[in-house]
Order: sequence, then structure tokens, then C-alpha cells
Amino acid sequence: AQSVTQLDSQVPVFEEAPVELRCNYSSSVSVYLFWYVQYPNQGLQLLLKYLSGSTLVKGINGFEAEFNKSQTSFHLRKPSVHISDTAEYFCAVSSGGYNKLIFGAGTRLAVHP
Amino acid sequence: GAVVSQHPSWVICKSGTSVKIECRSLDFQATTMFWYRQFPKQSLMLMATSNEGSKATYEQGVEKDKFLINHASLTLSTLTVTSAHPEDSSFYICSARDLTYNEQFFGPGTRLTVL
Repeated sequence: AQSVTQLDSQVPVFEEAPVELRCNYSSSVSVYLFWYVQYPNQGLQLLLKYLSGSTLVKGINGFEAEFNKSQTSFHLRKPSVHISDTAEYFCAVSSGGYNKLIFGAGTRLAVHP
Repeated sequence: GAVVSQHPSWVICKSGTSVKIECRSLDFQATTMFWYRQFPKQSLMLMATSNEGSKATYEQGVEKDKFLINHASLTLSTLTVTSAHPEDSSFYICSARDLTYNEQFFGPGTRLTVL
């Protein structure tokens, strides 16, 4: 069975500071990894995905993530956050491309002025 | 990117009534759609996988007779919450898989409140 652990339920940070949102996964098979962002009362928007190839993945809005197979991690990073980045961020895993997604509990990123 | 819509965006109903939520892929054909449920400040839990023209596959613990899913066309899937109770109040989100982009696109969600 697959599972996703997001280690921080909330991450407060000041504007223009760097941020890292942590995600660890467990799976007995090859995985595909995703980060989604959810703004209040809205659906999910894909930030970035890792399917294969380079372990450093760049996404939208200046976010990037690194797939680390040995540590079973897929942490999300941004070098300088904006107030508009305040949202809920979900890490997800799938065993087959865009098949069934298993989501982590989410991390609330709160960017303060 | 592809667009997925949901209707209604929010609904309030009385306990015991049934509510239907629509999920549409607006500019692509979706052979597979997924239905998720999200409680306040919690993650998304997959309820079922819906394939066009066949019966939905429900996740363990999801009552198929309570949450009826129909995927009658390549652009429309519906979720009907039958005999709704207050504990069914939640945020329901659908997603549709686009084979061209090989990506799941999410709808904006439907907030259901059962009084």
C-alpha cells in the first residue's frame, strides 16, 4: 500500500523568505509524485510532478521539488515566497501515472508581511 | 490546460433528501473521472473511480448505495448523495483524466451542507 506523510501541518513564514514543505512517501512499487496547491474553497491546481528523469523538478509560480529515492522524499521549495502563496499544499503519490492519487494530510503555508 | 467544472458550487439540503452533483470536462474527453471528499482542514479522500460506460469502483468504506456515481458520457459524471444526513456535509471534488495531456484536472468543488 502507498502512503504519504506531510511532516508539517502548518508553516508560517515571512514574505520573501525561503520555504520548504516536506513530504515523505512509502510504496513498494515505482511511484509518481505530485504537489498540488489549494486556495480557499477551490479545487486543486497542479504545481509540479515527477514521473521519471531528472530528480529536480521545476513547477509553476517559482516552486521546485527534488525526488530523493533513498530518503523516499519529495520536498517542495521556493526561494522567496509572496503573500499570494498563502494556501494549502498537498503532496500526492500514484503508482501509475495519473491513476488513483493518494494525498498527504496537507500543509498550510501562511506567508506574513 | 483543460477545464473541469462542477455544479452546483454549493448546496444546502434537508436531511433525508437526495442531492446530485455534476462534474463536466469542458474541453476534453475524460474516460476516467475521480470523486474525492474533503472534510474541513483535512486532506482529500478518494471515494470512487468512475469509468465511462461502466460501473464505478468504490474505495473501501464508501457506501455505493449511498453515493451513486454515473458516468454516462465522456464529458459528464454525476455523484448523487442519497438520503443525505448531516454527517454527509463536506466538500466534494471531482477530477477528470485527460489522456492527451496524461494529467488529472480538478474541478472547483461542491460544498454540501445537510441540515
